[in-house]
Amino acid sequence: AQSVSQHNHHVILSEAASLELGCNYSYGGTVNLFWYVQYPGQHLQLLLKYFSGDPLVKGIKGFEAEFIKSKFSFNLRKPSVQWSDTAEYFCAVRGNNNDMRFGAGTRLTVKP
Amino acid sequence: DTAVSQTPKYLVTQMGNDKSIKCEQNLGHDTMYWYKQDSKKFLKIMFSYNNKELIINETVPNRFSPKSPDKAHLNLHINSLELGDSAVYFCASSQAQPSTDTQYFGPGTRLTVL
Repeated sequence: AQSVSQHNHHVILSEAASLELGCNYSYGGTVNLFWYVQYPGQHLQLLLKYFSGDPLVKGIKGFEAEFIKSKFSFNLRKPSVQWSDTAEYFCAVRGNNNDMRFGAGTRLTVKP
Repeated sequence: DTAVSQTPKYLVTQMGNDKSIKCEQNLGHDTMYWYKQDSKKFLKIMFSYNNKELIINETVPNRFSPKSPDKAHLNLHINSLELGDSAVYFCASSQAQPSTDTQYFGPGTRLTVL
């Protein structure tokens, strides 16, 4: 079964700082990769996803992620964060068996 | 026009009780899921139903039983509730085909067992 690791538990940034959240997975087969965001008191929303093609994926709200197959990574990036980006971010991996695995989440706090 | 809805949003109950959480999706998806999010925000898949058939059953206690009357509904029944069952439970749905597999989540049900 696949597993997902998010190494940063809590990240604190000032507004306009650049963001990179790490995500590594372990799975031997073809994977679909996702980043979800959970704003305080709200449900999970899809930020972006990778199925195939260009490994650099653009998502909503200025987020992007790069799939590096050789490193089994799918890091999330944003050049300049805003206070409204404060949320919990979850990386997820789906294998061929339709089994979806989430990482433990990274809490992002953006100071105004 | 909510895509995935859950009821109730909050549920507070005593240990030992039996409770149900309902989930409905109007997206026409074939697959529905239940996740448990613990106090550390870790999301763990519990069940997955595809066309009313159980296709994933993680190692959760048999006190938890999913019931799907039709492919638009996946309810979660919990018997003999324990303190450790306190968590936020998320329902989700997706199409079965891998190429379109994006999961859409409900708003969550916060269960508190006293």
